Amino acid sequence: QKEVEQNSGPLSVPEGAIASLNCTYSDRVSQSFFWYRQYSGKSPELIMSIYSNGDKEDGRFTAQLNKASQYVSLLIRDSQPSDSATYLCAGPLNSSASKIIFGSGTRLSIRP
Amino acid sequence: DAGVTQSPTHLIKTRGQQVTLRCSPKSGHDTVSWYQQALGQGPQFIFQYYEEEERQRGNFPDRFSGHQFPNYSSELNVNALLLGDSALYLCASSLAGAEQYFGPGTRLTVT
Repeated sequence: QKEVEQNSGPLSVPEGAIASLNCTYSDRVSQSFFWYRQYSGKSPELIMSIYSNGDKEDGRFTAQLNKASQYVSLLIRDSQPSDSATYLCAGPLNSSASKIIFGSGTRLSIRP
Repeated sequence: DAGVTQSPTHLIKTRGQQVTLRCSPKSGHDTVSWYQQALGQGPQFIFQYYEEEERQRGNFPDRFSGHQFPNYSSELNVNALLLGDSALYLCASSLAGAEQYFGPGTRLTVT
């Protein structure tokens, strides 16, 4: 099993709907996570961090961490065309918090 | 507040050559990490520098080396370039290894 896994997509969501992005992780990954957004040809941009079990909300974004099931998700409410991007999930290894492991990303497309 | 900067933006090299990429961290950050991102993949961890020392290394050969200077800026050196080294090289800075913020990246093409 890869340390951090994501469905590559593409995930197509109508404008105004909720986009749900998921990420699973192995026992080798420490239970704090980061969500990055990456537009085509650009570098990743940090949009959410979550360190404890449960939900964390920031504007239209909600990150959810479920340690028992080893998954973390990102919900985007009221999706906008500008949300179309690749979303990367990342977390540090248990054996070394310095080493951040990224998933391969999920491509999200918001259709008008 | 200046963010993470990287230079150059783009670079074209020939197989066998050597390359040096540069990174200046976000103001107030003391840790620099380097990543390689191939097309369609997530960033792959190369190594991290803190207090001018390599703190952790990913699964990259010794051809990849780095350095951190007293002002926290960093360099990534790659020797004996291979075609497979063509990628986007990303630098990320953080304070004590917490949340990482990426620079714009250097696109390296090896021909």
